[in-house]
Amino acid sequence: AQSVAQPEDQVNVAEGNPLTVKCTYSVSGNPYLFWYVQYPNRGLQFLLKYITGDNLVKGSYGFEAEFNKSQTSFHLKKPSALVSDSALYFCAVRDNGGFKTIFGAGTRLFVKA
Amino acid sequence: DSGVTQTPKHLITATGQRVTLRCSPRSGDLSVYWYQQSLDQGLQFLIQYYNGEERAKGNILERFSAQQFPDLHSELNLSSLELGDSALYFCATSLAGSTDTQYFGPGTRLTVL
Repeated sequence: AQSVAQPEDQVNVAEGNPLTVKCTYSVSGNPYLFWYVQYPNRGLQFLLKYITGDNLVKGSYGFEAEFNKSQTSFHLKKPSALVSDSALYFCAVRDNGGFKTIFGAGTRLFVKA
Repeated sequence: DSGVTQTPKHLITATGQRVTLRCSPRSGDLSVYWYQQSLDQGLQFLIQYYNGEERAKGNILERFSAQQFPDLHSELNLSSLELGDSALYFCATSLAGSTDTQYFGPGTRLTVL
């Protein structure tokens, strides 16, 4: 069965510093991996996805993520955090033989000025 | 704005009642997904429809049902409501396949009193 884990409930970072939000996954086949962001009282917004190809994926708002097959991870990164990046971040996985998308529990990011 | 619309935005009802939530997809999207977001359960996949047919089922209760109509809008019906059904209900839509990005609506906040 598919599963996805976001080991940190919350990540705190100072503005201007690099940020990492962690995600690990488990699927039976090849994974399709996604990151979404949710701002208060809003729906989820797509940031980036990995389907195949280059392990480093670049997405919206300066975010990127690295697919690591051996560690079954897909960590979200940004070189320089902004206060406006403060939000709830979700990692999601779907295996290439199925249709269900499983979301992680979410990681709340706080960026302090 | 994702292009996905959901109505109503808020719904307050009593235990034992039945409600219908509506989702209109982005132009061209054939797949509709329903999710429930609550504080203790996170984002839970409920059900997916593709071009009018049910494609995948997640943790959807028997009291809940959904359908997708010929014009591709979808409705989620929740019956015999319980206090624990209070949550945010999101729909998301995508073009079709499993690699496609899901675009989320703004959600319907259901409060059961």
